[in-house]
Amino acid sequence: DAGVIQSPRHEVTEMGQEVTLRCKPISGHNSLFWYRQTMMRGLELLIYFNNNVPIDDSGMPEDRFSAKMPNASFSTLKIQPSEPRDSAVYFCASSLSDSPLHFGNGTRLTVT
Amino acid sequence: AQSVTQLGSHVSVSEGALVLLRCNYSSSVPPYLFWYVQYPNQGLQLLLKYTTGATLVKGINGFEAEFKKSETSFHLTKPSAHMSDAAEYFCAVSVSERTGKLIFGQGTTLQVKP
Repeated sequence: DAGVIQSPRHEVTEMGQEVTLRCKPISGHNSLFWYRQTMMRGLELLIYFNNNVPIDDSGMPEDRFSAKMPNASFSTLKIQPSEPRDSAVYFCASSLSDSPLHFGNGTRLTVT
Repeated sequence: AQSVTQLGSHVSVSEGALVLLRCNYSSSVPPYLFWYVQYPNQGLQLLLKYTTGATLVKGINGFEAEFKKSETSFHLTKPSAHMSDAAEYFCAVSVSERTGKLIFGQGTTLQVKP
């Protein structure tokens, strides 16, 4: 079991650029979650999918953020255009039914 | 609405001493409660969870937590701290154990001194 795989581990970009974060959930898991961690706001749920369908995106901060899950083994979180306040660690997590969440190691995003 | 408050952003204990990390929750429905641990540069790992039934929950690495409804608390304890316990700990609440839609506390950093 390779766990939840996120890429890249670190991303540094300039304000205004598009950023795409990637996630491969654990094989067989049917739910996928994107969380953001900042010093100011802690851990926040951005969006989650069940069986590849977005269920709740109420945590997505604004239209600059979008997430997709084209198939059961891949998801992306895109920020366009990026802003310095988007700097954070973005976590992807997956689960199966009532099993606990399995988190990836995160992508540390720095927007200058 | 649900919310979680962790009392103390930093806790320091000596190796071998009792670990007590405090968590209070607010929930309009029966809560499902969780403790997660985060080691540097890693994702969160589940320590233990309370859903229903026994109010004293045992988790991994010798940790346990007790659900006290009257006090709306779910404090995490470990009888004897080990150096490897140094990490950040998060308490979380969910309306259902079946979702990962968790509300996290702000986290408590545990320092273990030799």
